[in-house]
Amino acid sequence: DTGVSQDPRHKITKRGQNVTFRCDPISEHNRLYWYRQTLGQGPEFLTYFQNEAQLEKSRLLSDRFSAERPKGSFSTLEIQRTEQGDSAMYLCASSFVVGEGFYGYTFGSGTRLTVV
Amino acid sequence: GNSVTQMEGPVTLSEEAFLTINCTYTATGYPSLFWYVQYPGEGLQLLLKATKADDKGSNKGFEATYRKETTSFHLEKGSVQVSDSAVYFCALRTLSGGGNKLTFGTGTQLKVEL
Repeated sequence: DTGVSQDPRHKITKRGQNVTFRCDPISEHNRLYWYRQTLGQGPEFLTYFQNEAQLEKSRLLSDRFSAERPKGSFSTLEIQRTEQGDSAMYLCASSFVVGEGFYGYTFGSGTRLTVV
Repeated sequence: GNSVTQMEGPVTLSEEAFLTINCTYTATGYPSLFWYVQYPGEGLQLLLKATKADDKGSNKGFEATYRKETTSFHLEKGSVQVSDSAVYFCALRTLSGGGNKLTFGTGTQLKVEL
């Protein structure tokens, strides 16, 4: 297992286009998270999944954003009608949680989106 | 709500100098606290953590002590190396919604020179 993989590493798109990112978590991890990081800021929580169920979404996740984790394994994050303000690094992370135990996330290297 | 405040960077040090990066937090309840490091072009890596007051997290020569009375979790290292150059993020864990969300500070860039 090589950790959390994200694809693509970089994406440049024109304003108004749709984009989709993929995240492959560590295989035995049951939770998957999406964060967004803008330049000079820390990551901000977007949403998370417990297996295939999306259990929480941030108010940052507008109607143009949708995330799925269809079989409880990989996840996709789609942004429709992209805007320049969507330009950011999109980070995926996974963790294994049982009960109240939490030992930190493993982050992927991120997908850097540039909307022109 | 929950928030994390870090000292602004960049912090520039000579090799073997002592490092302190300040972090204070605001949270309801008793959060767990973390330091993450991000090297250029890479994802965030967990550096150390502390789950309750007076706990000390340590890893790779870095240390941080959970101080409930001052709501702080300052990162320290006795002798930095050029390879420590990176961005360091302080974060806290909330149990809101049971999701183990992390709230991050804005990050502090560290540059270590020979």
